[in-house]
This record gives sequence, C-alpha cells and structure tokens, in this order.
Amino acid sequence: ETGVTQTPRHLVMGMTNKKSLKCEQHLGHNAMYWYKQSAKKPLELMFVYSLEERVENNSVPSRFSPECPNSSHLFLHLHTLQPEDSALYLCASSQDRSRSTEAFFGQGTRLTVV
Amino acid sequence: AQSVTQPDIHITVSEGASLELRCNYSYGATPYLFWYVQSPGQGLQLLLKYFSGDTLVQGIKGFEAEFKRSQSSFNLRKPSVHWSDAAEYFCAVVPPGGSYIPTFGRGTSLIVHP
Repeated sequence: ETGVTQTPRHLVMGMTNKKSLKCEQHLGHNAMYWYKQSAKKPLELMFVYSLEERVENNSVPSRFSPECPNSSHLFLHLHTLQPEDSALYLCASSQDRSRSTEAFFGQGTRLTVV
Repeated sequence: AQSVTQPDIHITVSEGASLELRCNYSYGATPYLFWYVQSPGQGLQLLLKYFSGDTLVQGIKGFEAEFKRSQSSFNLRKPSVHWSDAAEYFCAVVPPGGSYIPTFGRGTSLIVHP
C-alpha cells in the first residue's frame, strides 16, 4: 500500500461510453500525475498537476480529459475512446516537483476498450 | 535524443543466483536516477535512487545500484535472487535542470526459476 488509491481497478468500456478514472492520495503531496502503460512500450507521462494546476500535457488526445479538484484527488475523464487506448493507467503523486522527490504510484486501472 | 535505455527485455535467473539489470542514459550532465519495481497487477514501487555522493546506493529488498559516470550507467544488482523478486523493473531518470519530469525505460522482466 503506497498511499495512492485508484478506482476502479478494472474497466471495460465501449467506444461510445463516457467513464472516469479516480485517483486519491492521502500523503499530503502537492503534485499528481497520470501515466499510460501499454504493453511493450515505455511508461508515457500524460498529465502533471502541481497544486491543482495543470503544468504538463504531453500531446494527449482530447478524448482524455483530466481534472484535479483538490490536491488529494485526480480524475481522468474518458469519452469516445479507441481500442488502442486499452492500457494500464497509473496515477502517481510526489511531495513536489523538485528533481529529487520520488513518485508514489497507485496500483493502476486496467482499461479495455471494446 | 536524450533517453534512458534498458537493453534487456527479459532476464532469467535461478533462485539464489546473482542478478544485474542494466540501465544506460544519454544526457549531457548527470540526471537523477531511480529504479522502480512493478509486481504483477501492481503499481510501481521505488527500490532506490541516486542524486550525488557515494556511487553505490543501497535500496530496499536487498537491492543495490552503482552509478558509473564514465559509462553513463546505473545498473541494479542483487547478490542472491528470491522467487518473489520476479517482476518488471524500470529504470527512470529525471533530466538535469528543470522540474520533475521523469523518463522511464522500457523495463526488464525478471523471471526466476526454482
């Protein structure tokens, strides 16, 4: 248990559905991240939030929409996804965005788009 | 291009044997270096990290890593592998300068034979 909780753990959705992934941390961290982990590919950073403000958006398609209502919660809203979006989506948090701070990861949401 | 490379996709060792997982980076200056482990169905857990100072770093679960500037490497080692060490191992770097945006290698899958 790392202190970062993701729900749901598994999600199957159709291409026309709208769903949301939730991430919650009770570590008092100020930065939160969404990563995408696909088979045989490096971990891809999608979004970074620092003090509830989005500071990084790595050319992610608009069908992925993040939301950070407070420093403890991070959402990833999904709509009209494609089968190639099937992956493990990992949330992480860190104390701040300095280079020396480590990231704490949640267990991930396994997303399957059918 | 600046990057981090894990040249071995899979490594197979026998239980009790020693282990070395390779990680190389290509940055002009020394980045911050991390090793993470991901057990099946889990998120990533930090094993150890290097920022400066002693080039041999001790981590959790009996792992250590050695930073070699001349080889731009940060290889992970363990003297005696346990069956529970079977997992995916990721090397990550935070580039010199700027804020915390880690880049992950593709990962090395460790298989442990009894």
